[in-house]
Amino acid sequence: EAQVTQNPRYLITVTGKKLTVTCSQNMNHEYMSWYRQDPGLGLRQIYYSMNVEVTDKGDVPEGYKVSRKEKRNFPLILESPSPNQTSLYFCASSPFLGTQYFGPGTRLTVL
Amino acid sequence: RKEVEQDPGPFNVPEGATVAFNCTYSNSASQSFFWYRQDCRKEPKLLMSVYSSGNEDGRFTAQLNRASQYISLLIRDSKLSDSATYLCVVTTQSGTYKYIFGTGTRLKVLA
Repeated sequence: EAQVTQNPRYLITVTGKKLTVTCSQNMNHEYMSWYRQDPGLGLRQIYYSMNVEVTDKGDVPEGYKVSRKEKRNFPLILESPSPNQTSLYFCASSPFLGTQYFGPGTRLTVL
Repeated sequence: RKEVEQDPGPFNVPEGATVAFNCTYSNSASQSFFWYRQDCRKEPKLLMSVYSSGNEDGRFTAQLNRASQYISLLIRDSKLSDSATYLCVVTTQSGTYKYIFGTGTRLKVLA
């Protein structure tokens, strides 16, 4: 089954404690991206990757890191989370600028 | 000015009604256009791509007007199950390769 998986689905953590949210796709898509969704602001792109070892900033990259060592995986790293990073996060993959397929989302709370 | 703008709604309509949403975008270099559907805090799912010639999928019709930089979605014979938030998405390919989401239009179909 074609899918995008994210883990964990829910996470409560404290300020400053490094965390990683994993994202994996099995559709051999070149393009992957991370979004955060906040009430009234919609989905905003954090980072995207056009292929292995090629990443670029989206609209809200501050406080986040990503890596793309393999085509299927695109983890999101928060080195020192802060409360303003409390949000709903989605990973997505697609053929280049084609239809995006989203993971189920990760609800992150930073205390 | 936001790059992609939508009326947030909510649009409350009776079952069987026809409802239309518009979305405007500011970047004339936008390449691809989509409508996604999102149920409460779940992952967005593709409703339909939008082509220059307009396209239809069952009760749903999408139109693109490049000259005026807007896209539209028409839903005929609304069903209760159409209640959701509809997201307008455009892609940019001018130095960056991003997906830009509107904040969504909320639809409630009433029995």
